[in-house]
Order: sequence, then C-alpha cells, then structure tokens
Amino acid sequence: EVQLVQSGAEVKKPGESLKISCKGSGYSFTSYWIGWVRQMPGKGLEWMGIIYPGDSDTRYSPSFQGHVTISADKSLSTAYLQWSSLKASDTAMYYCARPLPFGGDLDAYDIWGQGTMVTVSS
Amino acid sequence: EIVLTQSPGTLSLSPGERATLSCRASQSVSSSYLAWYQQKPGQAPRLLIYGASSRATGIPDRFSGSGSGTDFTLTISSLEPEDFAVYYCQQYIRSPQTFGQGTKVEIK
Repeated sequence: EVQLVQSGAEVKKPGESLKISCKGSGYSFTSYWIGWVRQMPGKGLEWMGIIYPGDSDTRYSPSFQGHVTISADKSLSTAYLQWSSLKASDTAMYYCARPLPFGGDLDAYDIWGQGTMVTVSS
Repeated sequence: EIVLTQSPGTLSLSPGERATLSCRASQSVSSSYLAWYQQKPGQAPRLLIYGASSRATGIPDRFSGSGSGTDFTLTISSLEPEDFAVYYCQQYIRSPQTFGQGTKVEIK
C-alpha cells in the first residue's frame, strides 16, 4: 500500500526550531515529488513547496521562501519541513502529499499524509 | 500567482439533491490543470477530480468535473450523507500551485 506517514504533533515556543517528517512507503520514494501544504486553524489549503527526493530539486512558494526549508533523505525515504525560528503564526496543520505521476512537480495530489499539527505558543 | 475564487462559500442542501460548485481562475489554467478535493473534519484532503474532469481512483461517478480556461464546475449529482464536507479546487498549471478558499456543503 502506498502511504505517507507523518511525525506526531508538536508544541513549541516562539523562537524554537523544528523539523517534521514525512515517510513514504509502498513505492519508489526517489521517483516521485513530495509537496507540503499548510492549513491554518479553520482556514483553507496553502501550497508551500515541493521536493524531488531523487536529486533534492526543491521549489518554494514565494509566500514561504526563506521561512521554511524542505529537504529529503532518500536513504530513509523521508521528506522534511523545518523552521529555524518558529512564530505563533506558524501554528497550523501541515500535510505532505505526493502528486500524480504525470506532470512532475506540477500535478494534483493523490496521496496525502495524515498531517502534523504544529502549535507555537509561549 | 493565479487566484482561484470558489462560490458559493456555503451550500445548504438535502441528501439526494444536486450540488453545483464553482471555481473561477484569475487567468487561464487550460482544461488539464485543475483539480478538486474533498476534506472532512479531522481528515486530510482527498483527491476527487484531476485534469478538470477525470475522476481519481475509487471516486464514485456521482462526482463529475467540467470546465476549461477560467471557469470550472464540480457537480455532485445526488448528495449522499458522506458528501457533506468542504471542497477545494486547485490549479497546477503554474507554480506556485494555488487552492481556492473552499466551499462548504452542509446539510439543510
């Protein structure tokens, strides 16, 4: 079964760093892009960026460029989303997702992780 | 960036009724780069439609998508109780990919 399994919920203080993970299984991890999507409490979906684990080619939304870092470790079949200094406004659910295999980095997402809730509060 | 505007914000319908959801793009996304998702509370989004009109694997045929250019529609032919949820459109013709703000389909 193809699946993405994300790391558990996090509670952090402003200014702290954080790295959350998304582990792929049931498919060739290095052959598919992995995207990240933010959903703030009670709000809609926002595309953050995407990485190709095969060569670590990474694209960011201008809204998130410089605020987060997307990476991947192909030996662990795991993608990551990290912050160096969290803000209260980073409080959200974060989803990783795998696009369909037709359009490279630009395609609809048919496989989703269960989400990681990040809460940033003093 | 391409802005997607969904309407209405909320749709109040009864089971068995037809639901028609709209997604309008600020510039053309062709007929091949528009998707629809369903999201229920506490769950990840689920892909329903890609390429504007192709149903994803396992999606019932009561869900259909249509449109091209800047105007797209998701139709649920006869609402089942499990269809009451929030629906999002997404364009992926150009980076950054963007989502609409969502339409909530609620029980009347």
